[in-house]
Amino acid sequence: GQQVMQIPQYQHVQEGEDFTTYCNSSTTLSNIQWYKQRPGGHPVFLIQLVKSGEVKKQKRLTFQFGEAKKNSSLHITATQTTDVGTYFCAGRAGGTSYGKLTFGQGTILTVHP
Amino acid sequence: SAVISQKPSRDICQRGTSLTIQCQVDSQVTMMFWYRQQPGQSLTLIATANQGSEATYESGFVIDKFPISRPNLTFSTLTVSNMSPEDSSIYLCSVGGTGDVKLFFGSGTQLSVL
Repeated sequence: GQQVMQIPQYQHVQEGEDFTTYCNSSTTLSNIQWYKQRPGGHPVFLIQLVKSGEVKKQKRLTFQFGEAKKNSSLHITATQTTDVGTYFCAGRAGGTSYGKLTFGQGTILTVHP
Repeated sequence: SAVISQKPSRDICQRGTSLTIQCQVDSQVTMMFWYRQQPGQSLTLIATANQGSEATYESGFVIDKFPISRPNLTFSTLTVSNMSPEDSSIYLCSVGGTGDVKLFFGSGTQLSVL
């Protein structure tokens, strides 16, 4: 079945440093989504990428979808303590918009002030 | 967006008992899902709750262990049956609205089985 691998598992940064998490799928994806889960909270949708090579920005967050639609990345510029949490990518198999989402293992980000 | 009320928020249960988790949404939704998240781990889809028909289970999950009901487009329950310590986890209800493929999650039920 479809597998979505995410690295790194943990990332510790000093406030102001940049952060990147990477996501790779074993199969071509229809789209990929990113979620953030604060400690003790539930996952919250951040963004969806659909097109090959797509790049989207949300303030300090930059999301990319690979040309082959099998990988994606999330980059945070100048991290802040409010960025703390676990970031999950979630891939949807090719050919459907409402198919099953497969979540990556998540990257736990800690930011030291 | 959808507002999801999930309860209980946490429970401590004895081995061999069952717990039913409820998920109420403030609007009608097409897709409802149940996920499990073990401590520090990713989200694993248990099943898709289908309105008016049997749930669709993912590999490794069976109806006898995780019976699901979905009597209407705003409500679903997940029962964790004959619990063992291995069932200790966070269980999350999730919904996807019509024409809106992102997921909204409930606040989760933290289950501990002794």
